[in-house]
Amino acid sequence: GAGVSQTPSNKVTEKGKYVELRCDPISGHTALYWYRQSLGQGPEFLIYFQGTGAADDSGLPNDRFFAVRPEGSVSTLKIQRTERGDSAVYLCASSLDGANTGELFFGEGSRLTVL
Amino acid sequence: GQNIDQPTEMTATEGAIVQINCTYQTSGFNGLFWYQQHAGEAPTFLSYNVLDGLEEKGRFSSFLSRSKGYSYLLLKELQMKDSASYLCAVRPFTGTASKLTFGTGTRLQVTL
Repeated sequence: GAGVSQTPSNKVTEKGKYVELRCDPISGHTALYWYRQSLGQGPEFLIYFQGTGAADDSGLPNDRFFAVRPEGSVSTLKIQRTERGDSAVYLCASSLDGANTGELFFGEGSRLTVL
Repeated sequence: GQNIDQPTEMTATEGAIVQINCTYQTSGFNGLFWYQQHAGEAPTFLSYNVLDGLEEKGRFSSFLSRSKGYSYLLLKELQMKDSASYLCAVRPFTGTASKLTFGTGTRLQVTL
């Protein structure tokens, strides 16, 4: 596609439920990032993929969070046993090859609300 | 670790010039980025600095001093559409490319 696409745009769930958030990066971009943004804050890094592998998952807050990118394109962020504190906008970004000068292109985000 | 500081809010008048400062303390440094984010929208890239000095791009300029851990974004001839949050982000130095660490953002309000 022309830009980074994220689905769903909005997700409301109940505490304890499982959710999946999907990211479709710009075609040809090998680097993919997940960030989380709370109201009035900057994006907070979660995980970075180079191709199919997670090159840096140091930002995942705990073992309830997991992300995959099995074919090196689309990625899914999975959150188990959701908690109210997980409510935020989850942003996905991609870059051409993860090179140091490469800018990140962000999607519109998936707004998660945990009731 | 990384620590990035920028003012929370600023207000400026249409047609004026505004400077948004960013200071950082990082364990390594391999570039500083500025992003613009309108409310409810995705951040969009504005500028990148890796060497000291000023980078100019139309109405927007960005400055970097690595020895001082300091950058600023300069916006000239302000327009109402420039009302947005401006995010300063640092890329730490690693052997391979990695994440950007963002500040909390500066919310700019442009008034008539």
